[in-house]
Amino acid sequence: EVQLMESGGGLIQPGGSLRLSCAASGFTFSDYGMNWVRQAPGKGLEWVSYISSSGSTIYYADSVKGRFTISRDNAKNSLYLQMNSLRAEDTAIYYCARDLSSSSPDWGQGTLVTVSS
Amino acid sequence: QAVLTQPSSLSASPGASASLTCTLRSGINVASYTIYWYQQKPGSPPQYLLRYKSDSDNQQGSGVPSRFSGSKDASANAGILLISGLQSEDEADYYCMIWHSSAYVFGTGTKVTVL
Repeated sequence: EVQLMESGGGLIQPGGSLRLSCAASGFTFSDYGMNWVRQAPGKGLEWVSYISSSGSTIYYADSVKGRFTISRDNAKNSLYLQMNSLRAEDTAIYYCARDLSSSSPDWGQGTLVTVSS
Repeated sequence: QAVLTQPSSLSASPGASASLTCTLRSGINVASYTIYWYQQKPGSPPQYLLRYKSDSDNQQGSGVPSRFSGSKDASANAGILLISGLQSEDEADYYCMIWHSSAYVFGTGTKVTVL
């Protein structure tokens, strides 16, 4: 069974930094591209970032480019999102999602990030 | 103008059919894109329903009932999710998605209410 478990969310002040993690199990992690998708409270889905299976290809949404960094450790079956210069508008549930273009994309349960003073 | 626009809400009776549209911004041709559809219920992550590019290139998510189907309306430059035989459990938010200009783009979402 595919499992994706996010962690690292919490309350952070504007301008602060946070690192999210996503622990993957139940599949060969190194075979799949991975994504971060977020959802602000009561709002729709917003894709944040993508990283290829090897980590060689990375894309970001314009809203986070230059502030967020996606990475992965295939030896640890883990995906990361380093978030710097956080803003109130970054407040959201952050989901990690396996290969959104595949025939069986899977999502974690999400971790809540709240940016507030 | 959003890349993908969906009606904010739709209401229908149990047993009826519901057609959810996902309109692509002018200049983005629906024929070139695979449209992905997700269902999200309160407090849960999105669940993949299906993807549709053409009648010969489409795929149903594992365990997704056949009453969920995809299509396109080229004249409206839109992707369509058809839910046949609406059930109370279909009450949820529905999002379309495409891969465009090196980014995934989600639609604005449609809240489906089963009256």
